Amino acid sequence: KQEVTQIPAALSVPEGENLVLNCSFTDSAIYNLQWFRQDPGKGLTSLLLIQSSQREQTSGRLNASLDKSSGRSTLYIAASQPGDSATYLCAVSYAGNMLTFGGGTRLMVKP
Amino acid sequence: EAGVTQFPSHSVIEKGQTVTLRCDPISGHDNLYWYRRVMGKEIKFLLHFVKESKQDESGMPNNRFLAERTGGTYSTLKVQPAELEDSGVYFCASSLYMGGGGYTFGSGTRLTVV
Repeated sequence: KQEVTQIPAALSVPEGENLVLNCSFTDSAIYNLQWFRQDPGKGLTSLLLIQSSQREQTSGRLNASLDKSSGRSTLYIAASQPGDSATYLCAVSYAGNMLTFGGGTRLMVKP
Repeated sequence: EAGVTQFPSHSVIEKGQTVTLRCDPISGHDNLYWYRRVMGKEIKFLLHFVKESKQDESGMPNNRFLAERTGGTYSTLKVQPAELEDSGVYFCASSLYMGGGGYTFGSGTRLTVV
């Protein structure tokens, strides 16, 4: 069974901290992995997409890594800001099509 | 470019009633997906259209759910009759290509069955 797990489920940090969100998946034969952000009452916004052949992707203060052999991905957020407060979702694609989501990490960055 | 639009944003219905959710994908996106998140659970895949054809409907929970995409443009998801466990947020997403990522999600429809 293909499962995606995100730890922690919730995280509260003071502004300025660097933080790491974790995602693990049971089946390493992934096609790609995506990190999404969801704000309350909004849709999902794609942050980073890592293809199975890649090790990491970077966008601004965000860096996502992928280790297929261990079934893990991390999302690193540098110098966190209150505007980063949201739910972060990890999703993997096995057949290059439908997404399998983790439960998400609710992040609160306090000013 | 307009995003993915879902209507309604909220719906409260009684058990046994029928509800129809609508999704307007980004123009030109052949791929349209339905997902849902029920309380306390992960977002789960429901089905995938390529144009007007159902490419994968393996996530549809039961035959009370009917999805259509006539003409390959907007899609509807009908729940008939609705049950309490159908409550949740229903998301629609569209993409230009299959498998490459590039999904754009709508804001979702929050369905509450009472």
